[in-house]
Amino acid sequence: GAVVSQHPSRVICKSGTSVKIECRSLDFQATTMFWYRQFPKQSLMLMATSNEGSKATYEQGVEKDKFLINHASLTLSTLTVTSAHPEDSSFYICSAETGARGETQYFGPGTRLLVL
Amino acid sequence: DAKTTQPPSMDCAEGRAANLPCNHSTISGNEYVYWYRQIHSQGPQYIIHGLKNNETNEMASLIITEDRKSSTLILPHATLRDTAVYYCIVPDTGRRALTFGSGTRLQVQP
Repeated sequence: GAVVSQHPSRVICKSGTSVKIECRSLDFQATTMFWYRQFPKQSLMLMATSNEGSKATYEQGVEKDKFLINHASLTLSTLTVTSAHPEDSSFYICSAETGARGETQYFGPGTRLLVL
Repeated sequence: DAKTTQPPSMDCAEGRAANLPCNHSTISGNEYVYWYRQIHSQGPQYIIHGLKNNETNEMASLIITEDRKSSTLILPHATLRDTAVYYCIVPDTGRRALTFGSGTRLQVQP
């Protein structure tokens, strides 16, 4: 299957700082990328959908000014957690798809964020 | 909300077939059924998907009932590495994002 990478795999930061997470589709062009987060013992929750070259669409309850998403190319999307707080500590996972009907999404390995 | 229901947990003996059921009684005619799994602390891994016909790949088989209201994922010879949470997902029509329910936690026993 197709490969999606994320960087970094884990990050520890101080409260109030910003953290950028990269999501790359390595062997295909992704017209759409998705960002999810997962708290301990819970399932994945969709945060936002990003399409290359346009603004991201955020799910209800997700602050767009706090979670900045940029999808500047067909192989790269970034999520920046601005002014991170301990409650933002979570497992952030991206996925990517080609956009063809019936095509599947491929997920990255996830980024574990710990805000102290 | 997820459009599927799955048992919360199942056990399977190593080397035996694992049959994971999923109900999706509200599925519409052009919606696919996707299966993913998540091993602890990793991103979800795609397994298989189907529309109407049964599907098989190197990982698993997907059996979809004729009325498409339920399906079964079959891992033919489960190994300890197959221990994971398995998600059956039917995306909402017109929505490309995947909605993850609670899934089935499969424990493969030695």
